[in-house]
Amino acid sequence: ILNVEQSPQSLHVQEGDSTNFTCSFPSSNFYALHWYRWETAKSPEALFVMTLNGDEKKKGRISATLNTKEGYSYLYIKGSQPEDSATYLCAFGFYNQGGKLIFGQGTELSVKP
Amino acid sequence: KAGVTQTPRYLIKTRGQQVTLSCSPISGHRSVSWYQQTPGQGLQFLFEYFSETQRNKGNFPGRFSGRQFSNSRSEMNVSTLELGDSALYLCASSLDSRANVYEQYFGPGTRLTVT
Repeated sequence: ILNVEQSPQSLHVQEGDSTNFTCSFPSSNFYALHWYRWETAKSPEALFVMTLNGDEKKKGRISATLNTKEGYSYLYIKGSQPEDSATYLCAFGFYNQGGKLIFGQGTELSVKP
Repeated sequence: KAGVTQTPRYLIKTRGQQVTLSCSPISGHRSVSWYQQTPGQGLQFLFEYFSETQRNKGNFPGRFSGRQFSNSRSEMNVSTLELGDSALYLCASSLDSRANVYEQYFGPGTRLTVT
C-alpha cells in the first residue's frame, strides 16, 4: 500500500507568522508531486506541480521544495494571512500511471487575525 | 474559459438504488479523474479516463463504474448504493495524456447522501 503522509494534521497560527508543512511520499516510481489548496465550500485549487529532485516553486508568499531521493516535500507560507486559512493537500503521481494521484490527508491551516 | 462543472450538486438516494453523476471538463482537456472524499479518508482515487478509455482504476468495488464520451464529458455510476457511499464526489480534468505532471482542475463536487 502506497501512502502519502502529511504533517501536521492541523495548525493554528497568528496573522504574520510563517509556517511550513511536510509531505512524505514513496521515493520509488516517482513522477510528480502536487500541492493543492482547498478552501471551505470551494474546489481544490492547484498550487504547484513538481517533477524534478531539488525543484523549488514559488507563488507569492507560498513556496515549495522537493526531495525525491528521500521522499519529502515542504510547503512554506511566509507571513500568513487569514485568507490563507484552508486545507493544504499534497498528491503523489506515479510514473506511467496517467492522471492517477494519491492524496495525503491534508494539513488544515487556520490563521487568526 | 469555463471551469469544470459537475451535476447534480446534491443528491439524496436510498440504499440499493443506483446513481449517475456527470462531469464536464474544461474545454480542450481530455483527461478526467474521479475522486471520493469522505471524512477521515481524504481524497481517494476512483478512476481516470482519457480519450474515452479508462486508463487507471483505484481500489473500489465493481459497483463503481464510469465512462467518457467523445466530447470528454464523463459520467460515474454507482449501483446498489450502500450507506458508506455517502461522500463528496469530485471530478478533475487535465490537459494532457501525462496528466499527473499537469495540474488538475477540480469541479465543485456532487454531495451524495445515501439513506
